[in-house]
Amino acid sequence: EDQVTQSPEALRLQEGESSSLNCSYTVSGLRGLFWYRQDPGKGPEFLFTLYSAGEEKEKERLKATLTKKESFLHITAPKPEDSATYLCAVKGDQAGTALIFGKGTTLSVSS
Amino acid sequence: NAGVTQTPKFQVLKTGQSMTLQCAQDMNHNSMYWYRQDPGMGLRLIYYSASEGTTDKGEVPNGYNVSRLNKREFSLRLESAAPSQTSVYFCASDRGIYTDTQYFGPGTRLTVL
Repeated sequence: EDQVTQSPEALRLQEGESSSLNCSYTVSGLRGLFWYRQDPGKGPEFLFTLYSAGEEKEKERLKATLTKKESFLHITAPKPEDSATYLCAVKGDQAGTALIFGKGTTLSVSS
Repeated sequence: NAGVTQTPKFQVLKTGQSMTLQCAQDMNHNSMYWYRQDPGMGLRLIYYSASEGTTDKGEVPNGYNVSRLNKREFSLRLESAAPSQTSVYFCASDRGIYTDTQYFGPGTRLTVL
């Protein structure tokens, strides 16, 4: 069964304190791993797609990496506006084109 | 270009009442999806439509029906609402390619009393 596990559930950082969020996955035939950001009361907003082990993508203070078993979302020198819930999801052979989501990591950055 | 839109934004129902959640996309996407999001459970797939004229069950389809009205619109119906259906509902769409990115609407917050 396809499964996505995110850790930690919640993370509190000081402004400028870099850290990483983890997404471990078990999927039959990975088609893509997706990171989304979700603000309270809003829908998920797309950040990155990773397709194969070793791939990396960057956007401002965020960098996503992928191995055969997990993905990391690295946050460098975060700012309060980076506070949100970060969702990881995968597409695999068994679920068609639907996404299998983890439960998310809620990040709080204080100034 | 509005992307994915959903109506209504909020709804309160009494147990046993029915309602339809509406979703529309203007990106010419082939596939559309309905998810529900509950605290501590993450997003779970209710139904999806791979292309116009087709629908399939997801992980949690019980108590719901869907209609793919045309390429743009995909509705979710609760025939007899139950308190267990209190949730936030998200519609999403993509081109229907395995590797494609899904784009989400703003959500409908439903409370069933």
